[in-house]
Amino acid sequence: KAGVTQTPRYLIKTRGQQVTLSCSPISGHRSVSWYQQTPGQGLQFLFEYFSETQRNKGNFPGRFSGRQFSNSRSEMNVSTLELGDSALYLCASSPRQAYSGNTIYFGEGSWLTVV
Amino acid sequence: AQSVTQLDSHVSVSEGTPVLLRCNYSSSYSPSLFWYVQHPNKGLQLLLKYTSAATLVKGINGFEAEFKKSETSFHLTKPSAHMSDAAEYFCVVSDSGNTGKLIFGQGTTLQVKP
Repeated sequence: KAGVTQTPRYLIKTRGQQVTLSCSPISGHRSVSWYQQTPGQGLQFLFEYFSETQRNKGNFPGRFSGRQFSNSRSEMNVSTLELGDSALYLCASSPRQAYSGNTIYFGEGSWLTVV
Repeated sequence: AQSVTQLDSHVSVSEGTPVLLRCNYSSSYSPSLFWYVQHPNKGLQLLLKYTSAATLVKGINGFEAEFKKSETSFHLTKPSAHMSDAAEYFCVVSDSGNTGKLIFGQGTTLQVKP
């Protein structure tokens, strides 16, 4: 069974541009969440989707957005990129609607560098 | 609010010696706790999970962790380190309520010396 797949794996963008990252969850998984990992802030929760609905959102500005499609695939978008958005963006999936204690499986991430 | 504190940012051991990575948690309810490992330039891999069943949890690759409520700890151990264990380890608590949100510790880098 294929794991969580994220594309692209690496990308470089310029300040002010926007970026879209894609995530395909494990087959049969319906919940997708996103995390940002930086050396300074560590791993921080961005948002969580189930059945195409955002269920939870972390403390990030409105420039960060996401969506989930009917096949459970998800995308996240960052508009008006800033240097501080350079990070590893991790997508994770779980089988059912997320609940406390749910086992969550991570992809290998998308490395975003903003120059 | 839930939180975790990893007591060591860096741990160095020799190959074949025991590993101890320390984690304390803070939670207003009975928490779900996890340990994840991240090898360089890789995503996160689940090592083990505690969800109020047995207090001693066995994970993959010989790792185990013991939940101690009285000490609010969830330390990760392995009897004998292997070179391939060198990685970043994260202690994680699940947020409360109807959410899968995970709250991560700052991570412990494990160095294994030959």
